[in-house]
Amino acid sequence: VQMTQSPSSLSASVGDRVTITCRASQGVSNSLAWYQQKPGKIPKLLIYAASTLQSGVPSRFSGSGSGTDFTLTISSLQPEDIATYYCQKYNTAPFTFGPGTKVDIK
Amino acid sequence: DVQLLESGGGLVQPGGSLRLSCAASGFTFSNYAMGWVRQAPGTGLEWVSGITGSGINTYNADSVKGRFTVSRDNSRNTLYLQMNSLRAEDTAVYYCARRFCSGGSGGTCYWSFDLWGRGTLVTVSS
Repeated sequence: VQMTQSPSSLSASVGDRVTITCRASQGVSNSLAWYQQKPGKIPKLLIYAASTLQSGVPSRFSGSGSGTDFTLTISSLQPEDIATYYCQKYNTAPFTFGPGTKVDIK
Repeated sequence: DVQLLESGGGLVQPGGSLRLSCAASGFTFSNYAMGWVRQAPGTGLEWVSGITGSGINTYNADSVKGRFTVSRDNSRNTLYLQMNSLRAEDTAVYYCARRFCSGGSGGTCYWSFDLWGRGTLVTVSS
């Protein structure tokens, strides 16, 4: 199963709504996670089961989707959200990551 | 503190071998499946290997099958990655990571990762 993400990068203003999409080449049910990796830092789990927010993650982050198409939304972009975001499917091995979406502040 | 600490990275020639270790602390290691994820310089995350808590079941990416072996010693709270026949394209920071279980090890587990080490750099070059 191949994972794709779009866009590969984006630039938005503080307070903007940001949407990142992830697509699987075959259905993965809701077995999808989202991670945030800030520059020079280790990845952080944001969302699992496509839409469940990991404990401690701000509520401006949300996930949706099932099957092959998924979305990560940041409802109001903050300066600390500058990072690369990765999706990962985990229904069966291999537990493939998407190529990432780099988010910058305009 | 709950943490993972990798070691064993370094410079190795193409065709060579290396064994990475990951020492776990602050949680019941044997209750959790574990994985290895790598990140080549300036690129994205690549899942490499996974192993169940008992060590009975292992999983590998196609890119490393037949060359890398994941194992664990629960008595030492340590995860390993034996890497043989190394290639230039294996150059990366290697992270060990804990499989996420909602509500703790007795809850529902997903092959996503909630605890990551700082990583160890493996460079394959002549």
